[in-house]
Amino acid sequence: DGGITQSPKYLFRKEGQNVTLSCEQNLNHDAMYWYRQDPGQGLRLIYYSQIVNDFQKGDIAEGYSVSREKKESFPLTVTSAQKNPTAFYLCASRLTALTEAFFGQGTRLTVV
Amino acid sequence: GQQVMQIPQYQHVQEGEDFTTYCNSSTTLSNIQWYKQRPGGHPVFLIQLVKSGEVKKQKRLTFQFGEAKKNSSLHITATQTTDVGTYFCASENTGGFKTIFGAGTRLFVKA
Repeated sequence: DGGITQSPKYLFRKEGQNVTLSCEQNLNHDAMYWYRQDPGQGLRLIYYSQIVNDFQKGDIAEGYSVSREKKESFPLTVTSAQKNPTAFYLCASRLTALTEAFFGQGTRLTVV
Repeated sequence: GQQVMQIPQYQHVQEGEDFTTYCNSSTTLSNIQWYKQRPGGHPVFLIQLVKSGEVKKQKRLTFQFGEAKKNSSLHITATQTTDVGTYFCASENTGGFKTIFGAGTRLFVKA
């Protein structure tokens, strides 16, 4: 059953700790994305990757880091430098440009 | 950088009324995609428009892409409670891959 999986669904962390969000896809998609969504807000692009071992900053990359060592995986690390990390994080993938994006179920991160 | 502005931010309608959300850009868009996010869920792809002046229909939903490829609209005829959610437009930068979303229009439908 093909799809894109994010884990965990809910995550709680103490302020000052780094945390890594998982995103895995078995759709054989080249491009992967991380978006942040705040309550009642749209989707803001954090990082995206067009191909393995390559990624670009989106509009709000500060305080975040990513890696793309495998085609299937695009983990996002929320570092302690991110001032307001509490949010809903969505991972997406697409086969190529000008094709539909498939989203994971999201991870709701709460930092206390 | 590339931006797509979406209006209105919220829309409350009575079931059976029509609904329209608009997406605008100051630059020419290569494409426009529309997604729907149900409350508590994740965005789900609805449709993509690529050609100038293109119009596509999905049952009660009508999607349009402007002649200048700088604006788009999603119109729902005779809304139902199942239409509740947030509708986003999205577009890619020239050359592709960097996909930017509008802020979304949240639709509330009263039965």
